[in-house]
Amino acid sequence: EIVLTQSPGTLSLSPGERATLACRASQSVGSTYLAWYQQKPGQAPRLLIYGASRRATGIPDRFSGSGSGTDFTLTLSRLEPEDFAVYYCQQYGSSPPGSFGQGTKLEIK
Amino acid sequence: QVQLQESGPGLVKPSGTLSLTCNVSGGSISTYYWSWIRQPPGKGLEWIGYIYYSGFTSYNPSLKSRVTISVDTSKNQFSLKLSSVTAADTAVYYCARRALTGYWYFDLWGRGTLVTVSS
Repeated sequence: EIVLTQSPGTLSLSPGERATLACRASQSVGSTYLAWYQQKPGQAPRLLIYGASRRATGIPDRFSGSGSGTDFTLTLSRLEPEDFAVYYCQQYGSSPPGSFGQGTKLEIK
Repeated sequence: QVQLQESGPGLVKPSGTLSLTCNVSGGSISTYYWSWIRQPPGKGLEWIGYIYYSGFTSYNPSLKSRVTISVDTSKNQFSLKLSSVTAADTAVYYCARRALTGYWYFDLWGRGTLVTVSS
């Protein structure tokens, strides 16, 4: 089973700043088979990025994803107040579909 | 647009069976793959299993011996049964749809339902 490790566990930033979240896989997820989700308290996860770098429908362009193989990054170019949440990565390159990282909490500094 | 809504008991006794249903509204359950995913309080996400509208299933190996997912296309819903539950099964349970691209990420989620295992 592929294990995803996200870092940092918590990231404290201010609105307007740039956020960089990392997701590392224990083995290759098969090029770009990686998704990112945003989860706010009491809400279901929302798909942000798939295929490592493709934005889902309706996702603002301040969200961007990059990487391949084992190392991936989610970047929020300029934080808005509504961006403070928990972010999860998920690989879908191997069975079982849908192993997730443990999450990065993005909090207001 | 398509929406998912989980329903079922919020409290299950230890050693009992957890039973949840996901109702698909605004669209047909046919042609797609549907999953159950759970999240223990304060923890991350765990995929439980999936079902195709035809009835084909696949389960997380760590839960396989206790999980059954079924589909009722006439009611446009699918269900989860998890047997022999313990406190470790306490979690928010989500139903979700596999992405329409055919890859195994999830583009549509229900709001989730908290199930507590306690006597």
